[in-house]
Amino acid sequence: QQPVQSPQAVILREGEDAVINCSSSKALYSVHWYRQKHGEAPVFLMILLKGGEQKGHEKISASFNEKKQQSSLYLTASQLSYSGTYFCGTDTGRRALTFGSGTRLQVQP
Amino acid sequence: EPEVTQTPSHQVTQMGQEVILRCVPISNHLYFYWYRQILGQKVEFLVSFYNNEISEKSEIFDDQFSVERPDGSNFTLKIRSTKLEDSAMYFCASSETSGVNEQYFGPGTRLTVT
Repeated sequence: QQPVQSPQAVILREGEDAVINCSSSKALYSVHWYRQKHGEAPVFLMILLKGGEQKGHEKISASFNEKKQQSSLYLTASQLSYSGTYFCGTDTGRRALTFGSGTRLQVQP
Repeated sequence: EPEVTQTPSHQVTQMGQEVILRCVPISNHLYFYWYRQILGQKVEFLVSFYNNEISEKSEIFDDQFSVERPDGSNFTLKIRSTKLEDSAMYFCASSETSGVNEQYFGPGTRLTVT
């Protein structure tokens, strides 16, 4: 069962903040966040593991609520380059990622 | 910075033909994956591969599909008797064997079945 992402789409002005949410009905080992630009491959942003370990880009922050099986990606002071579709991928411990339907983010000047 | 590479970037084939998509994972990675993305939709897991065998596969990965590591660097996805609905972007990914499981995606092969 795929994770549920919200919102489906968001439009920001440069410098504004956004939060993208991802929730799963299954117990998760880790949550992975990717950004995909049109016609390109998903680019790894961050991984959050059960137990609190995180690894990712310095300018990206995220949280993982293990009790609720929810993760949020925080985009602050958005730049034009942040535009794209953000996917969360969930891992129940079997390494295969199940992706959500994505959140389309558009940053305008 | 090491990266996953895939060839070809675009493959056009006729329905019923066989195609082989190729991937070179990051050199010190030992887990390999194939995902696909139908245009405008989410990324879907197909199969994972470790230690020269399939470790997990999805419902999509039926007898039409097979994977192989023919040598020390390549990882291939073979699709037999292609169907129109196989048209998609196919991504290869790889990760280290550590528990963190960061998966890095290749640029993809766009498969068009006509």
